[in-house]
Amino acid sequence: GDSVTQMEGPVTLSEEAFLTINCTYTATGYPSLFWYVQYPGEGLQLLLKATKADDKGSNKGFEATYRKETTSFHLEKGSVQVSDSAVYFCALSLTGNQFYFGTGTSLTVIP
Amino acid sequence: GAVVSQHPSWVICKSGTSVKIECRSLDFQATTMFWYRQFPKQSLMLMATSNEGSKATYEQGVEKDKFLINHASLTLSTLTVTSAHPEDSSFYICSARPPGLQETQYFGPGTRLLVL
Repeated sequence: GDSVTQMEGPVTLSEEAFLTINCTYTATGYPSLFWYVQYPGEGLQLLLKATKADDKGSNKGFEATYRKETTSFHLEKGSVQVSDSAVYFCALSLTGNQFYFGTGTSLTVIP
Repeated sequence: GAVVSQHPSWVICKSGTSVKIECRSLDFQATTMFWYRQFPKQSLMLMATSNEGSKATYEQGVEKDKFLINHASLTLSTLTVTSAHPEDSSFYICSARPPGLQETQYFGPGTRLLVL
């Protein structure tokens, strides 16, 4: 079945460090891929998305590239800030109704 | 814009009682709302899809008599956990989709339910 696997946390980084959160997927068709972020006490917010192979989604310095050959959608940021501390969810959707989420990766950035 | 609220944010109840959770889209109309459940260290699992004015569509394995969903208006959906038991303790999250945006869902902050 369709599913998403993302790297387990928690992840702790120093400010300005490079961030990678791995995400791989299994899908029966051609899904759209998403990264959502959840700040403490808030709902999930769409961070970026990509709808087809080789597309790169980017927002707020984060980026992820839809890699069909490796079925991956890894999230990266070159220089993290304290304000990036949150939980990050990778997700896929084939129809727009059913979203399959990863387990979430908690990121803490320390000054 | 595109804010979804949930109420309450957390609730503790006794086993056997029913609990109602509200999900509201504050600044847009949502013809479709979704209810998810999240266990600790696990991913969000879709429970049901709720369309305004019609019956909800439940995912396989979700008891429709246990989790009653009502989407009576374009800005409000409710989830009622009936005769709650400790195994129903979980984090419940709703999302709302504006009309015409197929792959867009705006999420609420979640409701933590603890059944004693």
